[in-house]
Amino acid sequence: QSALTQPPSVSGSPGQSVTISCTGTSSDVGSYNRVSWYQQPPGTAPKLMIYQVSNRPSGVPDRFSGSKSGNTASLTISGLQAEDEADYFCSSYTNINTVIFGGGTKLTVL
Amino acid sequence: QAQLAQSGAEARNPGASVKVSCKASEYTLTGYFVHWVRQAPGQGLEWMGRINPNGADTVYAQKFQGRVTMTRDTSINTAYMDLSRLTSDDTAVYYCAREPTGSYYDCWGQGTLVTVSS
Repeated sequence: QSALTQPPSVSGSPGQSVTISCTGTSSDVGSYNRVSWYQQPPGTAPKLMIYQVSNRPSGVPDRFSGSKSGNTASLTISGLQAEDEADYFCSSYTNINTVIFGGGTKLTVL
Repeated sequence: QAQLAQSGAEARNPGASVKVSCKASEYTLTGYFVHWVRQAPGQGLEWMGRINPNGADTVYAQKFQGRVTMTRDTSINTAYMDLSRLTSDDTAVYYCAREPTGSYYDCWGQGTLVTVSS
């Protein structure tokens, strides 16, 4: 099974909004509301930002939101801040009872 | 607050095995799935497999079938990932992560660097 498809990089200025896409197939993203998003600054472990497509854990700012349409999930970060600069990964449950990750997207805050 | 503390960095020769530990605190392993995810240098996250709360059931990514074994010891609240027949391609940071239910990870270990080199 190939990794979910994410853009290698996105960028935005402080205060702007950016959206990161995560495209899978009908065997994963398209069939289950089990898409999650993780933020990973350099040299640190991933941190959960969004789970089950659009739920935010406590402590995650409401500037972070998730959605899904068909085989593509999206993470939107509004009101960009310098501290948001990091790698972002999506993941999904699959129809063979496994988990698959996206290749990751590097967010640069200009 | 739940925490996962992993064992320290390891260096191995090709063909050897490595066993990484993941000790849970502030919660018990029996209530959650434990997954293992690795990240090669400069690369993305790769799912390796998981062990169920009952400790008896495991699911491994096809890529690692026959080479990986995931276990746990409830007496010391610790999970383990054993990877055999190592090659240089296995050089990576290995993470354990906790799944409540629903295929997401709300708590991660700090990562264990495994370096495979002759």
